[in-house]
Amino acid sequence: GESVGLHLPTLSVQEGDNSIINCAYSNSASDYFIWYKQESGKGPQFIIDIRSNMDKRQGQRVTVLLNKTVKHLSLQIAATQPGDSAVYFCAENSNYQLIWGAGTKLIIKP
Amino acid sequence: DAGITQSPRHKVTETGTPVTLRCHQTENHRYMYWYRQDPGHGLRLIHYSYGVKDTDKGEVSDGYSVSRSKTEDFLLTLESATSSQTSVYFCAISGMTDNGYTFGSGTRLTVV
Repeated sequence: GESVGLHLPTLSVQEGDNSIINCAYSNSASDYFIWYKQESGKGPQFIIDIRSNMDKRQGQRVTVLLNKTVKHLSLQIAATQPGDSAVYFCAENSNYQLIWGAGTKLIIKP
Repeated sequence: DAGITQSPRHKVTETGTPVTLRCHQTENHRYMYWYRQDPGHGLRLIHYSYGVKDTDKGEVSDGYSVSRSKTEDFLLTLESATSSQTSVYFCAISGMTDNGYTFGSGTRLTVV
């Protein structure tokens, strides 16, 4: 069936370095993808989205890359800060519903 | 989160009792969703609504019912709570089907 998943469950990054979180999806017909950040004890928070007619989209310190050839999505966080510590989810929007990956926990090392 | 509130934030209930969770929005969004979040499973959709009195099942709907009598309120009911329904429940809203969701802060439900 359709699925969206993440390659790494935990990612440790030195403060100030760039972080890259990866996501694979299996539904080649999907045309909209979203990244969410979830801090402990809170609900998921929208970070950035991208549509399938784009390869790259930039926000404030974040960039999402979409490679439709290999059905891969990545989130890049520039100059990672302690406040970036959270679980990051990719999600695929399909027919009123979001299909979620299991999440990647980002740990910032001082 | 601004525009969406969940109540209660925490609840402990006994097996077999009915429980209702409330999601209230002030954004006038058409779409509302109930998710549960468990370790190792990420977020799983329970039910969703695409308008007043218009609801449909998600992937884990067994044991749950919903109602939406007003645009701003989406209720999730566990008719007879079981221990397997111990979880954190999130409500989300969206103005369009292909748009980002706004999530509430969650309800932590423990069934003992």
